[in-house]
This record gives sequence, C-alpha cells and structure tokens, in this order.
Amino acid sequence: DSGVTQTPKHLITATGQRVTLRCSPRSGDLSVYWYQQSLDQGLQFLIQYYNGEERAKGNILERFSAQQFPDLHSELNLSSLELGDSALYFCASSPAAVGMNTEAFFGQGTRLTVV
Amino acid sequence: QKEVEQDPGPLSVPEGAIVSLNCTYSNSAFQYFMWYRQYSRKGPELLMYTYSSGNKEDGRFTAQVDKSSKYISLFIRDSQPSDSATYLCAMSGGTGFQKLVFGTGTRLLVSP
Repeated sequence: DSGVTQTPKHLITATGQRVTLRCSPRSGDLSVYWYQQSLDQGLQFLIQYYNGEERAKGNILERFSAQQFPDLHSELNLSSLELGDSALYFCASSPAAVGMNTEAFFGQGTRLTVV
Repeated sequence: QKEVEQDPGPLSVPEGAIVSLNCTYSNSAFQYFMWYRQYSRKGPELLMYTYSSGNKEDGRFTAQVDKSSKYISLFIRDSQPSDSATYLCAMSGGTGFQKLVFGTGTRLLVSP
C-alpha cells in the first residue's frame, strides 16, 4: 500500500458528461501529480500541485482541470467527456516540489470508461 | 521523437534467468532516474531510484545509469514468476524538473 488513496476505483459515464476524480496523498506529502495512462500512450503527465498551487502542467486538455485543497487532497475534473478520454487516471504524491527527493508514489488509479 | 524510449516487449524468460530491461533518453538534463513495477490494473510501484550516473543494488535488483550514453538499465537476478509485470522507467531534471517522464513500459513474463 503506497499510502495514496484514489476514489472512485471505477467510473462509467456517457459522452458529454463531467466527472470528478479524487486523490488523498500520503501523509506529509505536499506534491500531487496526475497522470493519464492509456494503452497506446503510456503514462502521460497531466498536472502537478504543490501545497495548493499549480506547479507544472503537462499535456492536459482544456476540458480538464484540477485543484489541491488546504487539506492537500486533490481533485481532477474532466468535462465534456469523449470516448478517447477512457483511460486509467493515476494520482501520485511526493514530499517535494523541487529538489533531490523527486520519487513519486502512486495510487491504485481510477479506471474511467466513457460510453 | 519521444524523450524516453523503452521496448514494449513482451520479454519472456524462464524462472531463474537474469533479466535486463533498458531505456534510452534524449534529454541530457535528466538527473534522476527511477524504475517502477506495475502489475495489471494496479498503480506503479517504485522499485529503484538513482541520481546521476552509477549503479545501485537492492536485493535482486540492480539499476545502472550511463549518462554519457543516455542509457539506463534494470537487472533482475534469479527472476521469479511474481516478477511478471510491466516495468516502467522514469526520469526527471532540467526544464521539466517537477514532472517524471515515463517510458511506455516493458512487459516481462517469467515462466515457472
């Protein structure tokens, strides 16, 4: 158990809908990362938050947004969903934003299926 | 060209074999190198973490980094069926300092 908790584990929704994925980082970790994993693309970095502030942005679509709350949990919001958004969405956490300790610990993921 | 290249496999070996998994990369600014193991439908699990060039050993696992060749390796000794999983390399550094760039993963199958 990595200590990173993601909910829900599975989500099935229709095209055009909006969903929210939730992540609770390991105790003491200030950084939260979101990744998307699909079969043909591997793990793609979406966005990183550190102590409530956005720190780095990857290939995140404009239809997607995220935030990190004062209690450090994070939510990833996906809207106007398309079939191609079906993927595993992982959250990871680490203690630091920049510096020596950059390894990240992953949650078990949310499997999103858009039908 | 992808920043990190990794052969997707699958790589099939008999139990007890030495396994060599590799990644190449193009960004010379990368300084931190990691290997993750991912079982089917589970989150990636951190196996090894190294900084800059050199070797690091942990039990049956050895990670090697050759920055001059932009090449990293993970060796698994005495492989077990329980090692069957997808192995992902990841690295960070330079302008993308706060994000980990992953390879696509190599699927390893260890047969009894």
